Amino acid sequence: GENVEQHPSTLSVQEGDSAVIKCTYSDSASNYFPWYKQELGKRPQLIIDIRSNVGEKKDQRIAVTLNKTAKHFSLHITETQPEDSAVYFCAARAGGFKTIFGAGTRLFVKA
Amino acid sequence: DAGVIQSPRHEVTEMGQEVTLRCKPISGHDYLFWYRQTMMRGLELLIYFNNNVPIDDSGMPEDRFSAKMPNASFSTLKIQPSEPRDSAVYFCASTHRVDKNIQYFGAGTRLSVL
Repeated sequence: GENVEQHPSTLSVQEGDSAVIKCTYSDSASNYFPWYKQELGKRPQLIIDIRSNVGEKKDQRIAVTLNKTAKHFSLHITETQPEDSAVYFCAARAGGFKTIFGAGTRLFVKA
Repeated sequence: DAGVIQSPRHEVTEMGQEVTLRCKPISGHDYLFWYRQTMMRGLELLIYFNNNVPIDDSGMPEDRFSAKMPNASFSTLKIQPSEPRDSAVYFCASTHRVDKNIQYFGAGTRLSVL
């Protein structure tokens, strides 16, 4: 079945630096890739997504890139701030409604 | 709308007991998902429903787990008998077929099985 691998599991950066989280997926039919942010003790919330017909998408300080050939996609956060500290989940969906999530990356932004 | 509502928020029970988690999706949403979150495995999809019908339950770990959706505004996830390894946060999420890209999560139920 579909599998989504996410790395690293933990990431610590200094405030103002960039953070990059990488994911790979196994199902070549996957065509939608959302990213969710989960703050401590709260629910996951969608922060950005990308479709398979697009290679890159940006929204202020966050951007996602997708390489369909290599079956990997990444989240980039620039100018990190302490409030970016959270767990980030990548996910992949191959049509339908079944979304497979990665194991998550715990991001710490040190002030 | 108050969003997806889950109850209870916390549940502590002893091994062997039956546990029932409840979820009320956002009104008008026709898809409902149950996820389990653990440190080791992240967010795992257990089962999802469309118009109250289970579509894919391949993520349900074993027969001790069962889920129902008797109507469009209510779903339950039951574990019987519960085991310590079932301890996790269980999330319910809902979405609408028109805007299926966004899944709205509930606040979760933190289950501890002693």
